[in-house]
Amino acid sequence: DVKVTQSSRYLVKRTGEKVFLECVQDMDHENMFWYRQDPGLGLRLIYFSYDVKMKEKGDIPEGYSVSREKKERFSLILESASTNQTSMYLCASWVAQGREQYFGPGTRLTVT
Amino acid sequence: GIQVEQSPPDLILQEGANSTLRCNFSDSVNNLQWFHQNPWGQLINLFYIPSGTKQNGRLSATTVATERYSLLYISSSQTTDSGVYFCAANPLRGSQGNLIFGKGTKLSVKP
Repeated sequence: DVKVTQSSRYLVKRTGEKVFLECVQDMDHENMFWYRQDPGLGLRLIYFSYDVKMKEKGDIPEGYSVSREKKERFSLILESASTNQTSMYLCASWVAQGREQYFGPGTRLTVT
Repeated sequence: GIQVEQSPPDLILQEGANSTLRCNFSDSVNNLQWFHQNPWGQLINLFYIPSGTKQNGRLSATTVATERYSLLYISSSQTTDSGVYFCAANPLRGSQGNLIFGKGTKLSVKP
């Protein structure tokens, strides 16, 4: 079974802090994604990566950056956390076309 | 870009009842998945079904790609089926594999 793990289930940070959200997959997938989920807005793509050190902006990249130094790990970075970044963050992993994507358990981030 | 619409938005059932959830998508797709989001927020894979019909226990799904819709059937519903069901599509054109999600159907199964 594919396993996608995220570093924290719940996280509380203060405005202005630098925040790291980690995602690890164990199936040697090339593609990894970060989404955020908000009531009324659904799931939206922040960033994705199709290979080590490669990254592409999604629909809402502002205020975020990412890092992929190793194939199995994809990190989402909030350079200076703001209250409007309070959300549920979901990481996904995917091998290729014709196959399904798998999601991690999510991180509920609250910025106060 | 592609639009993914789910209906109904909310559904309340008595335990043991059957239900059908619908997902319409506005363009051709490479990938169509159904997920169940549990109360802790995790998205559980139900089906990968860009076309055809699949069954897994009390759940089954059908996608008619030429008519751009997919259906999720839940039979003999149980209280543990409660939660939000999402349909998500990867468009055939102009994407890198990311999924476009519908707004979900919130299912409540009463004992």
